[in-house]
Amino acid sequence: DAGITQSPRHKVTETGTPVTLRCHQTENHRYMYWYRQDPGHGLRLIHYSYGVKDTDKGEVSDGYSVSRSKTEDFLLTLESATSSQTSVYFCAISELQDREDAGELFFGEGSRLTVL
Amino acid sequence: AQSVTQLDSHVSVSEGTPVLLRCNYSSSYSPSLFWYVQHPNKGLQLLLKYTSAATLVKGINGFEAEFKKSETSFHLTKPSAHMSDAAEYFCVVRRASTNAGKSTFGDGTTLTVKP
Repeated sequence: DAGITQSPRHKVTETGTPVTLRCHQTENHRYMYWYRQDPGHGLRLIHYSYGVKDTDKGEVSDGYSVSRSKTEDFLLTLESATSSQTSVYFCAISELQDREDAGELFFGEGSRLTVL
Repeated sequence: AQSVTQLDSHVSVSEGTPVLLRCNYSSSYSPSLFWYVQHPNKGLQLLLKYTSAATLVKGINGFEAEFKKSETSFHLTKPSAHMSDAAEYFCVVRRASTNAGKSTFGDGTTLTVKP
């Protein structure tokens, strides 16, 4: 298994509070991603990183920010959590790609966030 | 642009019978295609992937998939279902280029295996 650790694995918080989820990898992969998984929606990309301090928005980035100060760590922050952000959050990593092969994603175990 | 459609949200089979999970895709670029499996309260695990080599791809646990460009399909099959195959399965298309963010997931197919 790829060395990906997410923390916390479970969190319950209240509306309006800040929340930070951490993803830590030991694989030295360049790309890191945050997805959310909701019933009937598959996985949707929130933000991704293509290097230290290099990040970009995904399809559902509103209300989220990210930071990557080291290759191994990718943080997802909800500045002011809302009930619509109740979800399971997955971190994923990937290595370099080329024109013929988009490298596979390796996933963490997920972080279940409940916003009351 | 790219998209993925998993044609069945739920599939139920009996143990020992074949499994077919259907996936159609569209992509403006040369795609890489993947199947992932997710067991309850777990992350996604790669079953198999197609890049641009052989169109019939073999994966783990006896699964395989065939890339059919003319039909824009990438269906997942297994000759004989096992109880441990019960899980959710995701078909994914990724752009085979240097763009890191372009992965599109299907909505998933829940596979139930009856004894």
